[in-house]
Amino acid sequence: DAGVIQSPRHEVTEMGQEVTLRCKPISGHNSLFWYRQTMMRGLELLIYFNNNVPIDDSGMPEDRFSAKMPNASFSTLKIQPSEPRDSAVYFCASRSTGSSYNEQFFGPGTRLTVL
Amino acid sequence: QQQVKQSPQSLIVQKGGISIINCAYENTAFDYFPWYQQFPGKGPALLIAIRPDVSEKKEGRFTISFNKSAKQFSLHIMDSQPGDSATYFCAANTNAGKSTFGDGTTLTVKP
Repeated sequence: DAGVIQSPRHEVTEMGQEVTLRCKPISGHNSLFWYRQTMMRGLELLIYFNNNVPIDDSGMPEDRFSAKMPNASFSTLKIQPSEPRDSAVYFCASRSTGSSYNEQFFGPGTRLTVL
Repeated sequence: QQQVKQSPQSLIVQKGGISIINCAYENTAFDYFPWYQQFPGKGPALLIAIRPDVSEKKEGRFTISFNKSAKQFSLHIMDSQPGDSATYFCAANTNAGKSTFGDGTTLTVKP
């Protein structure tokens, strides 16, 4: 298995531009999580999906952030318009609710820099 | 409200020594307590985990000690090696699978 796949790995954009981050979960996993990691705030859960349905988006910082999961093998996190304070590493993770343990498998992350 | 408090923020240990990282939680609904290891430029990866019905779990050089009444758990790394140098996160999960992470501990093992 290739693991969780995220793209792009690095993104540099200018303030005000739209940014779209992509995630392909591990095949067969039915839960997907989006996290943001910064030095100041650590690892924050933004939103998670079960069976493609958003369950908890309380961590989404503002209306500028939106996430979708149109099918079991793809999810996007969009920031529109982006701001410098959105600069962070964004991780996607997936999990199988059928497993005996609640292990989440993380992708390699997307490092976002907003100038 | 920070639901999982982790300490210390950073830790320096000599090769062969014992590394100890502590976490405390507040929400009694948590039912699964994983520890993740993260190397620079990589995503966190599960290291070891425990459920609250046991007080200790050991996997190789890594041991979790769990105190349910005190709502505390800790990671012990025996015979620490330079390759263990990484950031370690404790987490607490609800049965819905939602994780709350500690702030992380940066471990440096000196040769």
